Amino acid sequence: GIQVEQSPPDLILQEGANSTLRCNFSDSVNNLQWFHQNPWGQLINLFYIPSGTKQNGRLSATTVATERYSLLYISSSQTTDSGVYFCAVDLTGGQLIWGAGTKLIIKP
Amino acid sequence: DTGVSQDPRHKITKRGQNVTFRCDPISEHNRLYWYRQTLGQGPEFLTYFQNEAQLEKSRLLSDRFSAERPKGSFSTLEIQRTEQGDSAMYLCASSLEPLGTGYEQFFGPGTRLTVL
Repeated sequence: GIQVEQSPPDLILQEGANSTLRCNFSDSVNNLQWFHQNPWGQLINLFYIPSGTKQNGRLSATTVATERYSLLYISSSQTTDSGVYFCAVDLTGGQLIWGAGTKLIIKP
Repeated sequence: DTGVSQDPRHKITKRGQNVTFRCDPISEHNRLYWYRQTLGQGPEFLTYFQNEAQLEKSRLLSDRFSAERPKGSFSTLEIQRTEQGDSAMYLCASSLEPLGTGYEQFFGPGTRLTVL
């Protein structure tokens, strides 16, 4: 089955720093989503981005489908950005296959 | 639109008891998904429905797990004869039927199950 790998597994930054999170996947996909899971467990949709580039405030994402990777950029980090960031992909319009996540800690 | 809702938010039960969780999707969404998430891991797909039809159930973890969506609106996930290994967060998501290849899943807050 398709493999989804995220890097780095852990990231600790000072407030105001920028970061890049990576998601590699092993097969062509129909769907790719980035999520932020807050400390209470809620999954928050960041981007639906099977290809191309999108931006939303301090966050942006790029997926290069032909090379099977996606990047999530966080600029000017805030403590509220802390949490786990997941990449999830789908082949067939049904189940999402998830990476193991990147745990981000932003220190004040 | 209040988003995906799940009930209860927390459930503590004793080993061997049956539990049932409810999920109400976003009102116009015809697809509904169940996932399980254990500590430190990404979510794991269990099953999904399009309207009332269960399109994939081979990933349900055992025959103790079952899901229904009888009227194509809310769904229930039942775990019979719970075991301590069933302790996890159970997540529900919904989406519109894909247009071409495009769709986006939206998640509820989850039900955290603890089996003593």
